[in-house]
Amino acid sequence: KAGVTQTPRYLIKTRGQQVTLSCSPISGHRSVSWYQQTPGQGLQFLFEYFSETQRNKGNFPGRFSGRQFSNSRSEMNVSTLELGDSALYLCASSIEGAGEQYFGPGTRLTVT
Amino acid sequence: EDQVTQSPEALRLQEGESSSLNCSYTVSGLRGLFWYRQDPGKGPEFLFTLYSAGEEKEKERLKATLTKKESFLHITAPKPEDSATYLCAVWPSGTYKYIFGTGTRLKVLA
Repeated sequence: KAGVTQTPRYLIKTRGQQVTLSCSPISGHRSVSWYQQTPGQGLQFLFEYFSETQRNKGNFPGRFSGRQFSNSRSEMNVSTLELGDSALYLCASSIEGAGEQYFGPGTRLTVT
Repeated sequence: EDQVTQSPEALRLQEGESSSLNCSYTVSGLRGLFWYRQDPGKGPEFLFTLYSAGEEKEKERLKATLTKKESFLHITAPKPEDSATYLCAVWPSGTYKYIFGTGTRLKVLA
């Protein structure tokens, strides 16, 4: 069974731009969660989606948004990028948001 | 406030030198505790799920245990390939929001 895939793997953007990251969960998994990972803060929860509905949101500004499609694929968007948004963005899927999550390889975003 | 603290931040072991990693947590209600391994440049890899105090899980040289306030990841006779960052996460009751600790960086020397 194929794992979680994320595209693109690497991105370089300029301050003020916006970016969209994509995540395809494991087949049969309907829950997708997004995390931001930085050396200082570790993994910080962004949001979780199940059946196209956001069930939980972390403490991030409104510039961070996401959505989930009917095939469970998910996207997250960051608008008006700031230098501090440079991080590894990880997507994780699980069957129903219960139990273990399986992570993708991440998208490394660099904001200059 | 729900919180997860891992210690030590970093650990260096000689090959074969057993040790334990600690994960202390404060949550209003615990639905599950998870251990992950993360290699540089990769996403976390799932290791164990623990649901109730007293539960234990084993996999090769790793053994995870859970009490009402903390979890331990015991590494027996580690090998250099066990070098990685080990992450602990809790799943609080009433949420779909997992809270991660900042991890323990383990280095096993040959």
